[in-house]
Amino acid sequence: ETGVTQTPRHLVMGMTNKKSLKCEQHLGHNAMYWYKQSAKKPLELMFVYNFKEQTENNSVPSRFSPECPNSSHLFLHLHTLQPEDSALYLCASSQEVDRGSNQPQHFGDGTRLSIL
Amino acid sequence: DQQVKQNSPSLSVQEGRISILNCDYTNSMFDYFLWYKKYPAEGPTFLISISSIKDKNEDGRFTVFLNKSAKHLSLHIVPSQPGDSAVYFCAASGTGTASKLTFGTGTRLQVTL
Repeated sequence: ETGVTQTPRHLVMGMTNKKSLKCEQHLGHNAMYWYKQSAKKPLELMFVYNFKEQTENNSVPSRFSPECPNSSHLFLHLHTLQPEDSALYLCASSQEVDRGSNQPQHFGDGTRLSIL
Repeated sequence: DQQVKQNSPSLSVQEGRISILNCDYTNSMFDYFLWYKKYPAEGPTFLISISSIKDKNEDGRFTVFLNKSAKHLSLHIVPSQPGDSAVYFCAASGTGTASKLTFGTGTRLQVTL
């Protein structure tokens, strides 16, 4: 079983649809992250959750709504997206967000999202 | 303004030779650096990291070098193998912002036979 699992792997939706991306981690981590990767751009951090509390919102539009019900699960709820939101959305987890220590983040395989 | 730059979009190296991937950064507050490897249709996989208190970290065939004065780090792969063909991302984070990884745009490494 892979450490960080994302579903679905691919999603095509219209601009008026509502859908959700799901992420689950089996690593016993307490911090989870959403990233966006657009073509020819570096990965951009969107949200950070530490022990289920949101600690970072990187100026993400409100049409993206994260939810973290527990330390193992993270959702990204999508509504009224724009064509420029088409991208690869990656989830990651790490032990915890601790300002005193550095731990690598472990990524899922991503959801490829296409907005029509 | 890109704070982490990988200026070579691609690199081709013969099997058995050394691969050297480079990364430059501009933010002097960065103190933790990582390399990730990414195969097509998969997420990035953590490879190796280095803290700013060190200038070298080694793990098997992979060595990361950090030159703080030049704000430069490099990843050496010796010997290179065909399975190393992938996109390599450099990332950095700073003191007090351990959660905020800033990534480069990646370098595609092709290891040829």
